[in-house]
Amino acid sequence: DIQMTQSPSSLSAPVGDRVTITCRASQSINNYLNWYQHKPGKAPKLLISTASSLESGVPSRFSGSGSGTDFALTISSLRPEDFATYYCQQSYTAPLTFGGGTKVEIK
Amino acid sequence: QVQLQQSGPGLVKPSQTLSLTCAISGDSVSSDSAAWNWVRQSPSRGLEWLGRTYYRSKWYNDYAVSVNARITINPDTSKNQFSLQLKSVTPEDTAVYFCARTMTPRGFDYWGQGTLVTVSS
Repeated sequence: DIQMTQSPSSLSAPVGDRVTITCRASQSINNYLNWYQHKPGKAPKLLISTASSLESGVPSRFSGSGSGTDFALTISSLRPEDFATYYCQQSYTAPLTFGGGTKVEIK
Repeated sequence: QVQLQQSGPGLVKPSQTLSLTCAISGDSVSSDSAAWNWVRQSPSRGLEWLGRTYYRSKWYNDYAVSVNARITINPDTSKNQFSLQLKSVTPEDTAVYFCARTMTPRGFDYWGQGTLVTVSS
């Protein structure tokens, strides 16, 4: 299985801050990396596909980068509605695997 | 617009079989470009992919190693839906279960509403 390692596991930041979450794959996955936002009681929401493609309707303050084994999700200016848990996920090969998650909290 | 509607019991006894169904509207379970997945979420494990079924001239299944011996995912073309069966459940299988669509190379773009399944006697 391809292991996905996210860091940090949690962070606390004020509204307006720039935040970056990283994700590392245990082997190269080219750009087959997706990012999700998950809020309690809801289904996860796909934010970014193939490392850097913003899904329709997702605000432009979200961006993704990377290829191979190292990836990042950046929120350029945190808004109150962005406080949630974020997951990376590889779609390179089955079994599909997720990172452990990063909980973004209000400071 | 694709919609996924889950159904099934929220309480299962230990050693019994967990069964959930996901009804698809706006797409076809027999699509030759989509895959139909089950994912679960728990506080201890985060998001965990369980498996998928998909059609590419014939039917295929892939399963997570952690549940491979206990899981079956089946398509039902007559009802345009797919199902999850997880045998011999334990309290560690307590989680919110989601069905979801993937369209390679994109991620899980449409999700069901989620079903909290509690394993308890």
